[in-house]
Amino acid sequence: QVQLVHSGAEVKMPGASVRVSCKASGYTFKAHFLHWVRQAPGQGLEWMGWVNPNSGATLFAQKFQGRVTMTRDTSINTAYMELSGLRSDDTAVYYCARESSGYRNFDLWGRGTLVSVSS
Amino acid sequence: QSALTQPASVSGSPGQSITISCTGTTTDVGRHNSVSWYQQHPREAPKLMIFDVTERPSGVSNRFSGSKSGNTASLTISGLQAEDEADYYCCSFAGGSSDDYVFGTGTKVTVL
Repeated sequence: QVQLVHSGAEVKMPGASVRVSCKASGYTFKAHFLHWVRQAPGQGLEWMGWVNPNSGATLFAQKFQGRVTMTRDTSINTAYMELSGLRSDDTAVYYCARESSGYRNFDLWGRGTLVSVSS
Repeated sequence: QSALTQPASVSGSPGQSITISCTGTTTDVGRHNSVSWYQQHPREAPKLMIFDVTERPSGVSNRFSGSKSGNTASLTISGLQAEDEADYYCCSFAGGSSDDYVFGTGTKVTVL
């Protein structure tokens, strides 16, 4: 079954870091860029960046540069997104989404990981 | 990179057609034919409905169609059905500017 499976919900203190994982199955992991998109409660979608599972190259939205890291482990077909210096407005559902091969869109989404930041 | 502008809400009766606009700039919607649309039901992940402005993925109803003129893309839902009630987001590739992708502000579609 073609799917992206996220790690479980996280609760973090302000200033901490969080790492969210996204495990791919049912397709060739290295063949598709993986993107991270977040959605704050009641808000819209926000693109954060991508990781190339083949090379490990990354590109981040300007807003998150310096605070986000995206990596992958090809031995277990898993991508990771780590966000540091958490603030209350980082509370959101974090989605990984597969970029369609040869097209600029997101054709497969995980169910997301809720990250709550609260003291 | 500013979010693409969508109306906050659009409504229609069953069987009617509605259109959602998505306005960007010359660096995103106006420059690239890589506009996609996503449907999101409450507490669910987004689902791709339209890509490359006008293309429908396999399995998506032909009641959904897309278009673009200048800096504005549009999604039309014809023959509105109760199951179409959801949030809809446009997204444009913007490579070459500050960020690679930018999403729209989102539109709540209500079936009356």
